[in-house]
Amino acid sequence: GENVEQHPSTLSVQEGDSAVIKCTYSDSASNYFPWYKQELGKGPQLIIDIRSNVGEKKDQRIAVTLNKTAKHFSLHITETQPEDSAVYFCAALNQAGTALIFGKGTTLSVSS
Amino acid sequence: DVKVTQSSRYLVKRTGEKVFLECVQDMDHENMFWYRQDPGLGLRLIYFSYDVKMKEKGDIPEGYSVSREKKERFSLILESASTNQTSMYLCATSTANYGYTFGSGTRLTVV
Repeated sequence: GENVEQHPSTLSVQEGDSAVIKCTYSDSASNYFPWYKQELGKGPQLIIDIRSNVGEKKDQRIAVTLNKTAKHFSLHITETQPEDSAVYFCAALNQAGTALIFGKGTTLSVSS
Repeated sequence: DVKVTQSSRYLVKRTGEKVFLECVQDMDHENMFWYRQDPGLGLRLIYFSYDVKMKEKGDIPEGYSVSREKKERFSLILESASTNQTSMYLCATSTANYGYTFGSGTRLTVV
């Protein structure tokens, strides 16, 4: 079935370092790839997304890259800060275009 | 901003009880979703709906049903709660451009 793999499951970095989270998807027809950040006790919040007609998108310290040929996309966070500590989920739109399939999440810890 | 409200943050129910989880949105979003979130498993789709009185099964619908009588309200029903349904339940809404807005979640414990 359709699947999204996310790595790593945990990531620890020092404040100011960069963090990279990678995802692969199984369905080549997927055309929408959002990233969500979930803080403790809250629902996931959309932080950035990319569509299949774009290879890269940037929003301040956050960027997402997409390689459609390899079917993988990545989240890049530069100059990490303690408030970036959270669980991050990648997702891909399913083949029918009706719902998102999520990766299993990455727990990012940024230590000062 | 779209607001998605889940009626309860925490619920404790007994095995065999019928459980209703309510989700209400304050915008005119067509699509509504129920996911469950478990450690190490991420978010898994239970049911979704893109119109009133319409529903589609997700990846793990067994043991659940849904109701959407009004556009703004989407209810998840556990017909006979079991301990393996102890989980965090997340409701989300979206428009045709796909971006989801999530509620804060309901943490359900079945004892």
